[in-house]
Amino acid sequence: DGGITQSPKYLFRKEGQNVTLSCEQNLNHDAMYWYRQDPGQGLRLIYYSQIVNDFQKGDIAEGYSVSREKKESFPLTVTSAQKNPTAFYLCASSIPLGGGRGDTQYFGPGTRLTVL
Amino acid sequence: AQTVTQSQPEMSVQEAETVTLSCTYDTSESDYYLFWYKQPPSRQMILVIRQEAYKQQNATENRFSVNFQKAAKSFSLKISDSQLGDAAMYFCAYRSSFGNEKLTFGTGTRLTIIP
Repeated sequence: DGGITQSPKYLFRKEGQNVTLSCEQNLNHDAMYWYRQDPGQGLRLIYYSQIVNDFQKGDIAEGYSVSREKKESFPLTVTSAQKNPTAFYLCASSIPLGGGRGDTQYFGPGTRLTVL
Repeated sequence: AQTVTQSQPEMSVQEAETVTLSCTYDTSESDYYLFWYKQPPSRQMILVIRQEAYKQQNATENRFSVNFQKAAKSFSLKISDSQLGDAAMYFCAYRSSFGNEKLTFGTGTRLTIIP
């Protein structure tokens, strides 16, 4: 089945530790995104990548890092520099840019990160 | 920068009735896209409906339809014949036709279905 998978579903981290969230898609989408969701708020963009080996910062990139070595994978690392990392993290993907068409973003099931 | 506002934090509706969720947005662009996403208790974001700003016709998907008022920058979602499975958070989102394809989300409306 085609889709987006995120692992793990729940993740606990001690303060001062880096942690990596996985996002994999088999939809053959070129673009991938990471969003953060906090209670009472909508989603906010952390990073996005439109093509392999290229990515750009979103609105709240401080304390996060990403890589895009394969089309199917876009892992997110939450570093110790992120001051308030406890949140729900959602990965999304979409078909390629082109002509400004409204390509829909499809979301994975999310990862709940809790800092202890 | 674009902003999306959902002024109803919570709504409730009787099963089988109709409910309308409100969304307004602010943009200086003329071409863009609008979406409604549903987030059930599982927390996965599910696309409900999308609207292309250059199309005057309102989008519909089965029991879901929108009222798109471009001049008023309003994009409301109407759910007809509400079902228990419609209970969820509903988010309105904006996407520019240019640039990085970022979705800008509203803060959401929690919809409760009363049996």
